[in-house]
Amino acid sequence: SQTIHQWPATLVQPVGSPLSLECTVEGTSNPNLYWYRQAAGRGLQLLFYSVGIGQISSEVPQNLSASRPQDRQFILSSKKLLLSDSGFYLCARSRGLNTEAFFGQGTRLTVV
Amino acid sequence: RKEVEQDPGPFNVPEGATVAFNCTYSNSASQSFFWYRQDCRKEPKLLMSVYSSGNEDGRFTAQLNRASQYISLLIRDSKLSDSATYLCVVSTPTGAGNQFYFGTGTSLTVIP
Repeated sequence: SQTIHQWPATLVQPVGSPLSLECTVEGTSNPNLYWYRQAAGRGLQLLFYSVGIGQISSEVPQNLSASRPQDRQFILSSKKLLLSDSGFYLCARSRGLNTEAFFGQGTRLTVV
Repeated sequence: RKEVEQDPGPFNVPEGATVAFNCTYSNSASQSFFWYRQDCRKEPKLLMSVYSSGNEDGRFTAQLNRASQYISLLIRDSKLSDSATYLCVVSTPTGAGNQFYFGTGTSLTVIP
């Protein structure tokens, strides 16, 4: 089966601290990978997507970055967190055009 | 203009009722369409794909009208367990891969 792992499930970080969220995928090769953020009571905002190793497209300018060092690994990072970075971060994968997206269980980040 | 627009609700319906959700999308190049369900503080999960011919899965029926760029979801004989937020999602090809655009969701509460 194809699974997608995200960790940690919850995270509380002080303002100005760094961030690293990891997402790994099993059971499929060369997936399209996505990072979304969902603020409280809001819709999903696409942050980054990747169609292959080292290929990252950014949707929203911000203090976050993403990397894909391996085919099945997608990392979301920040050097210095802001209060506005709080939210529910979701990693998703798809097999490409005309296929559905599947999500990891998400990381709930609170910046204090 | 938003890529995907949904009526946010909330919809509060009694058990056994039929409820319909609507969604419009702005990009005529969009190729795939889906309904997702999101429970409180959980990741979105695929409910069903939506095809031009319409498709049905038990009590759930989805319809797509490409000419009007309109998507619908009908839930018959509502159950308490149907209470959730329903997300309309479109997949649009990009220069590299495809992107998923999410509506802000329609909240449904089924009342005993």
